[in-house]
Parts: sequence; C-alpha cells; structure tokens
Amino acid sequence: QKEVEQNSGPLSVPEGAIASLNCTYSDRGSQSFFWYRQYSGKSPELIMSIYSNGDKEDGRFTAQLNKASQYVSLLIRDSQPSDSATYLCAVRGRNGGSQGNLIFGKGTKLSVKP
Amino acid sequence: NAGVTQTPKFRILKIGQSMTLQCTQDMNHNYMYWYRQDPGMGLKLIYYSVGAGITDKGEVPNGYNVSRSTTEDFPLRLELAAPSQTSVYFCASSSPLGSGANVLTFGAGSRLTVL
Repeated sequence: QKEVEQNSGPLSVPEGAIASLNCTYSDRGSQSFFWYRQYSGKSPELIMSIYSNGDKEDGRFTAQLNKASQYVSLLIRDSQPSDSATYLCAVRGRNGGSQGNLIFGKGTKLSVKP
Repeated sequence: NAGVTQTPKFRILKIGQSMTLQCTQDMNHNYMYWYRQDPGMGLKLIYYSVGAGITDKGEVPNGYNVSRSTTEDFPLRLELAAPSQTSVYFCASSSPLGSGANVLTFGAGSRLTVL
C-alpha cells in the first residue's frame, strides 16, 4: 500500500515567521511531488511541484525534495494570515503512463496568527 | 474561463436513492478524475479517465459508476446511496502533456449527505 504521511497539525506560527511543512512517502519509485493548498470549504489548488532532488523556490514558497530519505517539505517564508489553510502533499509513482496513481496525504492544517 | 464545473454543490439523499454528480471541463483536458474527501482526511481517488470511452477504478470505486462519452463530461453515478458515501466529492482534470502533466485543476466540490 503506497502511503503519503503528513502531520495533521494544527501547526501554528506567528505572522512573519517561517512555516515548515513535512511529508514522507513510502514508494521509493515516486517521480513527481506536489503541494496543494486547500482553504476551508474550498477545493485544492496547486502551489508547488518538484521533480528532482534539491530546492525549488517560487516567491515565498520553497519546496525541498530528498528522494534518498523519501522526504519532501514546503517552507513558507514571511507567513501571512492568508496562508492559513490545509496543505496537501501529493506524490505520483513511476507507473508508466497511468494518471491514476497520484496519492494524497491527509494534509497539515496551518494557522498563522497575527 | 469556467475550468471544471460541478453540479450540484449540495445534495441530501435518503438511503437507497440514486443520483448523478455532473462534471464538465472546458480546457480540453484528456484526463479527468473523481475524488472524495472525508473530514480530516486526504483525497481518495474513486475513478479516473484518460480519454473519451476509457475509464478505470481508483482506490475506492465500490458503490460508484462513471462514464466518459465526451472529452468534456465525466459524470459520477451513485447507486443505492449509503451513509458511508456522505462526503465532499471533487472532480478534477489534467493534461497529459509537458509541464501540465499531473497538474490537477479541481472543481468547487459537491457536498453529499446520505441520511
């Protein structure tokens, strides 16, 4: 059973701090990694994707991938109250052309306090 | 630019009733998906389709059926509704090509309650 694990939180950080969200996955053959943000009562929206080891930065967001440790993280710098949401980690395995194997974690709820 | 449109947004069903959740996308995406999300849980894949006429089961297909007669539409059918099907249902689509691959665009969701 392929799994994606996240701490459910809530993770509470003060405004302006760095929020660090972590995700581990069980399928060593996984190729693609995604972070989706989901506001309460809304649908998920993609904020970051990462495919190779190392860091990928996009504005205040940095995704970090370590395939050897089967670990992917999301850092949010200068956290804002508007960042308060649930962050879903999603992992796609190596399974040929199948698009049916994007596995989601349960999500980490982030709360940024003013 | 409508993206992915789901209807209805809310529905209450009685046990044993049937219904269809509608999903339409206008982005010419080949791939479409149905997920369910229970409170505090991640998204579970119910069914997916890689193109018109082709569908396949996901992780939790029991109690559901789908069809894909056109590229745009991917309806989800619930037969004999059960309380365990109370959930929020999300339809999504993606392009299989290039950098758009695996980038899912979600609909707004359909909240279903079975009593």
